[in-house]
Order: sequence, then structure tokens, then C-alpha cells
Amino acid sequence: DVKVTQSSRYLVKRTGEKVFLECVQDMDHENMFWYRQDPGLGLRLIYFSYDVKMKEKGDIPEGYSVSREKKERFSLILESASTNQTSMYLCASSRRRGANTEAFFGQGTRLTVV
Amino acid sequence: AQTVTQSQPEMSVQEAETVTLSCTYDTSESNYYLFWYKQPPSRQMILVIRQEAYKQQNATENRFSVNFQKAAKSFSLKISDSQLGDTAMYFCAFIRGGSQGNLIFGKGTKLSVKP
Repeated sequence: DVKVTQSSRYLVKRTGEKVFLECVQDMDHENMFWYRQDPGLGLRLIYFSYDVKMKEKGDIPEGYSVSREKKERFSLILESASTNQTSMYLCASSRRRGANTEAFFGQGTRLTVV
Repeated sequence: AQTVTQSQPEMSVQEAETVTLSCTYDTSESNYYLFWYKQPPSRQMILVIRQEAYKQQNATENRFSVNFQKAAKSFSLKISDSQLGDTAMYFCAFIRGGSQGNLIFGKGTKLSVKP
């Protein structure tokens, strides 16, 4: 069974903390993505990566960075967490070839910054 | 820039009935793909159905079918014989052909199936 696994389901952090959200996929997918999901706003792309050590900014990269040292792992980093980063974070992966390929999603991390 | 619009934030339907979720999109591309994803409460997002823009025939997956109107840039999802397990957020998504795989999502429609 294919899997995208996010390290935490729920996370509570304090303002100013450095936060790491981890995502691992076991499908040997080239593409990996981090989305933020907020009620009424849908999914917004933060960053994506189409290869190891490669990254591209999405629509809302401010306040975030990413790391992809290994093909199967894509990390989202909040350098200094703020309350407006309280949200649901979704990781996804897909094959590079063929834009019509299915994206597979993790279960999401609900982050609360207090 | 491509945009995806879902005009129905919430919908409800009685079990066993049919419901249609609307989606429109805006693009100048001729080669692209459209998807409907389902996100059940507290569960992972999964693909429901996909449509290639160059195919005129509407995609069908069991009880799920689409009405793809390319000229109108419309891509609605029809769910027949609705079941309680269809209760979920539904997201319409778009991707340009030949791109690296960056999906553009609508804001979602929350569907409730009532017994």
C-alpha cells in the first residue's frame, strides 16, 4: 500500500520556536509538495521539490523553508513560528513524468502556535 | 495565472440521491488535466476522478462521473446513489500539461450526506 507519512498528527508550539514538519514517502516519487489548508481558502502551495536538493517556491513561501536531502523525505521548516501559521499542513508526492499522475497525500499535521 | 473556483462552500444530499458539485477554472492553456479529490473527516485526501482536457469523453468511476465542458471551462462532479461514506470535503484541481506536477486547488465544497 502506497504511503505518505507525516511525522506528527497534532503539534503545539510556542511563538518564536523553530518548527520542523517531516514527510516521508515510500513510492520513489520525484515530486514532493507542502500545502497549507485553511477553512475557506482551500489548499495553498508553500514549496515543492522535483528532485533531491531542488526546491521551488509556491504561492505562500514567506516564513517557511524546506529541505530535501533524500528522495523520500521532504521537510518543512518554520524558522520562527507565529500565530498566523496555525493551520493544517499537508504533504503530497507524485511521479515527475506525466502531469496527469495522481498525487498522494499524507494524513496532515494540525499545527497550533500559541 | 490559472485559477479554480468552487462556488458552493457547502452542500447536502439525502442518502441514495444524486448531487452535483460545480467547478470552473480559468486558463489559457490547451493542454491540461483536471481532478476531483475527496478529503473525508480526519482522513487523508484521495483522488476521486481525473479528466484529460484533450479527451471529449467524460470520465466515469463507478458512482462518480464528471461533466467536462471545455469551452465553458466547467468541470462538475456528479455523485449518484450517494452514500454516508461520501461525506467529505471535495476539491477540484487543475494542472498544466507538461508541468512538474503542481496542482492548483479550488477552495473546496463540504458535502454532507444525510440518512
